[in-house]
Amino acid sequence: AQTVTQSQPEMSVQEAETVTLSCTYDTSESNYYLFWYKQPPSRQMILVIRQEAYKQQNATENRFSVNFQKAAKSFSLKISDSQLGDTAMYFCAFMKLDNAGNMLTFGGGTRLMVKP
Amino acid sequence: EPEVTQTPSHQVTQMGQEVILRCVPISNHLYFYWYRQILGQKVEFLVSFYNNEISEKSEIFDDQFSVERPDGSNFTLKIRSTKLEDSAMYFCASKQSTSGNTIYFGEGSWLTVV
Repeated sequence: AQTVTQSQPEMSVQEAETVTLSCTYDTSESNYYLFWYKQPPSRQMILVIRQEAYKQQNATENRFSVNFQKAAKSFSLKISDSQLGDTAMYFCAFMKLDNAGNMLTFGGGTRLMVKP
Repeated sequence: EPEVTQTPSHQVTQMGQEVILRCVPISNHLYFYWYRQILGQKVEFLVSFYNNEISEKSEIFDDQFSVERPDGSNFTLKIRSTKLEDSAMYFCASKQSTSGNTIYFGEGSWLTVV
């Protein structure tokens, strides 16, 4: 079974600054995807960024980028130029690629507060 | 942009009552899911559904739960006899194919059992 660990329950950052959220995972699989989802106070789950394990290049989406270290099983999210709207709960998630349901396993989340 | 839609957004029910949560997945998606998030806790997988049958389910998904795709567009989660501990946000999600495409979530149905 896979496990996903987010060691930072809460973090804060000043507006326009950069913040990095940590995520580690444990798996024996070689073929998988990793995701960061954002959950604002509305509680909707919004995809932030996706990384395929077979790709060495780190994924980027505008102000969001990841540092994917496959050997270390680490998948951190960097938010540059933080905005007030980035205030949310952030969940790291793992998806094993198999012939079953391709379910997501979530970490416990990191609550990010962006301060003006 | 296509999205997963869920109804109701919030439901309050008496303990022991049956509840049906409804979802309309994205139209060309083939995999459907239900997840649950108890307040303040992590998101937990309940069940996945593909080709009109359950493909995987968690330990949480016991005999009081069932899923159905009654008409080719809706995907429902039924909780037969609700308990207080079933109070949670229930998320429906869908995915296009087996190739690891992203899972897209609906806005959730908040269930309160009293």
